[in-house]
Amino acid sequence: AQSVTQLDSHVSVSEGTPVLLRCNYSSSYSPSLFWYVQHPNKGLQLLLKYTSAATLVKGINGFEAEFKKSETSFHLTKPSAHMSDAAEYFCVVTSGTGRRALTFGSGTRLQVQP
Amino acid sequence: DAGVIQSPRHEVTEMGQEVTLRCKLISGHNSLFWYRQTMMRGLELLIYFNNNVPIDDSGMPEDRFSAKMPNASFSTLKIQPSEPRDSAVYFCASSLMYSNQPQHFGDGTRLSIL
Repeated sequence: AQSVTQLDSHVSVSEGTPVLLRCNYSSSYSPSLFWYVQHPNKGLQLLLKYTSAATLVKGINGFEAEFKKSETSFHLTKPSAHMSDAAEYFCVVTSGTGRRALTFGSGTRLQVQP
Repeated sequence: DAGVIQSPRHEVTEMGQEVTLRCKLISGHNSLFWYRQTMMRGLELLIYFNNNVPIDDSGMPEDRFSAKMPNASFSTLKIQPSEPRDSAVYFCASSLMYSNQPQHFGDGTRLSIL
């Protein structure tokens, strides 16, 4: 069984300040973890993925995430928020068993204030 | 490189009517996923295919829903008869057939059943 918990449903930051979106997971097998972003009226776009290589993963648009097995966390960060980062962010886990279904977190809505 | 293409983008119809949603996969991808997104339930996996074969349809709400892959690049999701509670945004996604491969999403079909 696998599950994902996004600890904040809403996060608000000022433009130019750091972003932290928190995600905890559970998985019976070695997981693959992803962060996706969804802008209004759009599909989900992959930001980054972790698949058992380097624990610090760099993604698009300046985002990165660190896989911490001891804490079962995969938090998403960005040093400096931009107005265009305002969107919904989903943390996703899939197990290594071959079953392809993704388990989605409930999402975190990021607001960026000018 | 064209992404996943869904049609129509918007559909408004009366309850009881048949609804068909369409999806074109990214060339070379061999896994196809249908999701439904609502405010109340978030993102739900309905069904997924590997190499045109349905692997897991446990998320299909009821017999009114059916999905097919007539060929390797195209899929349909059909609702017959439709009901107001089917109103949602429906996404399809495609990927390569390995558990650590990310899924690429279309922009979705916004379905409203009156």
